[in-house]
Amino acid sequence: RKEVEQDPGPFNVPEGATVAFNCTYSNSASQSFFWYRQDCRKEPKLLMSVYSSGNEDGRFTAQLNRASQYISLLIRDSKLSDSATYLCVVTRAGRRALTFGSGTRLQVQP
Amino acid sequence: EAQVTQNPRYLITVTGKKLTVTCSQNMNHEYMSWYRQDPGLGLRQIYYSMNVEVTDKGDVPEGYKVSRKEKRNFPLILESPSPNQTSLYFCASSYLGNTDTQYFGPGTRLTVL
Repeated sequence: RKEVEQDPGPFNVPEGATVAFNCTYSNSASQSFFWYRQDCRKEPKLLMSVYSSGNEDGRFTAQLNRASQYISLLIRDSKLSDSATYLCVVTRAGRRALTFGSGTRLQVQP
Repeated sequence: EAQVTQNPRYLITVTGKKLTVTCSQNMNHEYMSWYRQDPGLGLRQIYYSMNVEVTDKGDVPEGYKVSRKEKRNFPLILESPSPNQTSLYFCASSYLGNTDTQYFGPGTRLTVL
């Protein structure tokens, strides 16, 4: 079983739609949680951190449920420029590596 | 400009021909790391380094070597490349106290024939 699992998509949505991605992680010792964005095989870039209390940054909201080992990302009012692959990332206590999910592809259509 | 650079960006080579992919960062980061990205598998860590002369294996170190002789550079060495090392490689760096936020290089697309 992969340590971080994501639905690969693609999610095809019209501009202005609200879309949600989910991610599950298997290691209960996971310590920190993030969403990264990757454009067309370019380098991943940090989108936002994820906290149990929830984290909002403009149109993006991230949520962590430690009991269910589940992370979500909500994008409101989708823009064409949001088209990308969204990577769910966790770290383990005492281990400095980032553990990546394989990503969920989003395609926003005009 | 703060950045992580990798060279070459694209490389096609043949089985068994030794190659080195360079990685350099100008942010004075202690921590540097190499990942490979393959379809359906996500990014997986190959090797990492927490400072000069300190390196350790990641999840998929077989067939790779690294060195960290200077703080800014962290080359990835393939002594005898094989086709299963065809992949997209990313170098990343961060401060040791904040490895949650890693900065990635632009990637090196390697094809081994």
